Amino acid sequence: SAVISQKPSRDICQRGTSLTIQCQVDSQVTMMFWYRQQPGQSLTLIATANQGSEATYESGFVIDKFPISRPNLTFSTLTVSNMSPEDSSIYLCSVEVRLTEAFFGQGTRLTVV
Amino acid sequence: RKEVEQDPGPFNVPEGATVAFNCTYSNSASQSFFWYRQDCRKEPKLLMSVYSSGNEDGRFTAQLNRASQYISLLIRDSKLSDSATYLCVVRNSGYALNFGKGTSLLVTP
Repeated sequence: SAVISQKPSRDICQRGTSLTIQCQVDSQVTMMFWYRQQPGQSLTLIATANQGSEATYESGFVIDKFPISRPNLTFSTLTVSNMSPEDSSIYLCSVEVRLTEAFFGQGTRLTVV
Repeated sequence: RKEVEQDPGPFNVPEGATVAFNCTYSNSASQSFFWYRQDCRKEPKLLMSVYSSGNEDGRFTAQLNRASQYISLLIRDSKLSDSATYLCVVRNSGYALNFGKGTSLLVTP
């Protein structure tokens, strides 16, 4: 299993600003992911955070808007840049253990005003 | 068309009832299948994996029909604590998981 600490748990931000979300795992994991869950919607994968190389972004998500860092196998950050109200959502980091189970952080509930 | 589709519900059932959720997926090359549970304002957690032969875990039974690209979850003897959103999750080739929107269940006394 894996225990994930994600922070902040929630934030209210002004449009045009940026927020960095941190994700710390209690063990070294190869695969780490960032998801977004908009109200009433399913989880949508933003990107895969790769250690030592650039993140791999899904269709509709770009590095300039969602820069990701992965300095080691236990830590990653996601930045939501130049925020607008449409970015209001829950952001979740996730790790997979042997492709049998995904573990999630508690989520960051972001409101952009 | 979304890759994973579920009836959003909500399903309101009395304690002790049996309830079934259905899910369809569009990619015939999908390889792994799961049901996750998400409580209100909480992160998703794995409920059970779904195997081709079907599998059971206590009151929960999962079935997979590859020919119809259909997954089901059956909950017997519903408890109040079963109230949650149930997410159908599918993995294609690679690592990415595709999530359904979830089916909401409310078990009432």
